[in-house]
Amino acid sequence: AQSVTQLGSHVSVSEGALVLLRCNYSSSVPPYLFWYVQYPNQGLQLLLKYTSAATLVKGINGFEAEFKKSETSFHLTKPSAHMSDAAEYFCAVSLAGGTSYGKLTFGQGTILTVHP
Amino acid sequence: DGGITQSPKYLFRKEGQNVTLSCEQNLNHDAMYWYRQDPGQGLRLIYYSQIVNDFQKGDIAEGYSVSREKKESFPLTVTSAQKNPTAFYLCASSIRENTEAFFGQGTRLTVV
Repeated sequence: AQSVTQLGSHVSVSEGALVLLRCNYSSSVPPYLFWYVQYPNQGLQLLLKYTSAATLVKGINGFEAEFKKSETSFHLTKPSAHMSDAAEYFCAVSLAGGTSYGKLTFGQGTILTVHP
Repeated sequence: DGGITQSPKYLFRKEGQNVTLSCEQNLNHDAMYWYRQDPGQGLRLIYYSQIVNDFQKGDIAEGYSVSREKKESFPLTVTSAQKNPTAFYLCASSIRENTEAFFGQGTRLTVV
């Protein structure tokens, strides 16, 4: 079975500072990994995805994430935070084949606060 | 515009009543999903369907039922057997397995 752990349920940064949201996964087979963003009372929007191509993945709004197999991590970063980045972020994993076919498993979410 | 439409956005239900949440997509996606979201618990999978007339239980299917009679539609019924139904419900779809899921705007269900 796959699982996702997001370290830190709340992260607070100043505007212009580095954003780092942590995600670790566990799986017995190569995973597909995703980061989503959610604004209050809305659905989820895809930021970026890893599907076994380049390990450094660039997404929308200046976000990027690096897949590190040895650390089973897929941390999300952005060099300079903007006020509009304040939202909740979810890491998700999907496995190829087996009984987990097509299913996404989500982490608990990290709420990002950006201070002026 | 292509997308996923969930209705209604807000729904109130009396205890003991069944209620059906609508989810329609015009993306021509094969797979559709229902998730439940509670504060601090992320998203938990209720049911998913990879093809018309077929669906599978997710991690928290008890007290819920679904149907998939059309490719475009995947309604979720919250039955009276669901002990704690107050939550935010999200519908999603994807082209096929292991691709990103596209989400609707959600339905907030409150039991009164």
